[in-house]
Amino acid sequence: DAGITQSPRHKVTETGTPVTLRCHQTENHRYMYWYRQDPGHGLRLIHYSYGVKDTDKGEVSDGYSVSRSKTEDFLLTLESATSSQTSVYFCAITDPGLDAEAFFGQGTRLTVV
Amino acid sequence: GQNIDQPTEMTATEGAIVQINCTYQTSGFNGLFWYQQHAGEAPTFLSYNVLDGLEEKGRFSSFLSRSKGYSYLLLKELQMKDSASYLCAVSKAAGNKLTFGGGTRVLVKP
Repeated sequence: DAGITQSPRHKVTETGTPVTLRCHQTENHRYMYWYRQDPGHGLRLIHYSYGVKDTDKGEVSDGYSVSRSKTEDFLLTLESATSSQTSVYFCAITDPGLDAEAFFGQGTRLTVV
Repeated sequence: GQNIDQPTEMTATEGAIVQINCTYQTSGFNGLFWYQQHAGEAPTFLSYNVLDGLEEKGRFSSFLSRSKGYSYLLLKELQMKDSASYLCAVSKAAGNKLTFGGGTRVLVKP
């Protein structure tokens, strides 16, 4: 199994509070991604990173920011959590090769009340 | 934009064959991935197609037609443990970003 861990695994937070999710990898993969998964929508890309301090927006980036100060860590921050951000969040890692499979973390279930 | 369609749910009997179709419309297409996801777990890689044709891996096969924007995943000799969601995902040439369909939930019955 790829060495990729997400923390926390579960979180309940209140509307309006900031929340940070962490993705940590021990595989030295350059590319890292944050997805959210909701019923009826599948997995949707929030932000991604091609290396340290190199990040960009995905298709559903509003209300989220990311940081990558080390190869192994990719942080996702909800600046002011809303109920629409209740979801399961997955981190993924991959190498640059076009046929490189993505390895996913176990997911973080976030509930915003 | 990108549009990826796959059926929401399918039911099949243990030992049978099930074919999950995926159609896509996208620009900058590089290849197509299939992932398996058991309930409450992370997606795991099943197959990758970049050229037209069939890729076979044991009980699972995946087919791609780039000109038709069509792929399918074939699951043979179904087992109860194959009950899961199957995710079709298109990758673009730049950056290995994946765009997923909504997933097909397969229920295998005895």
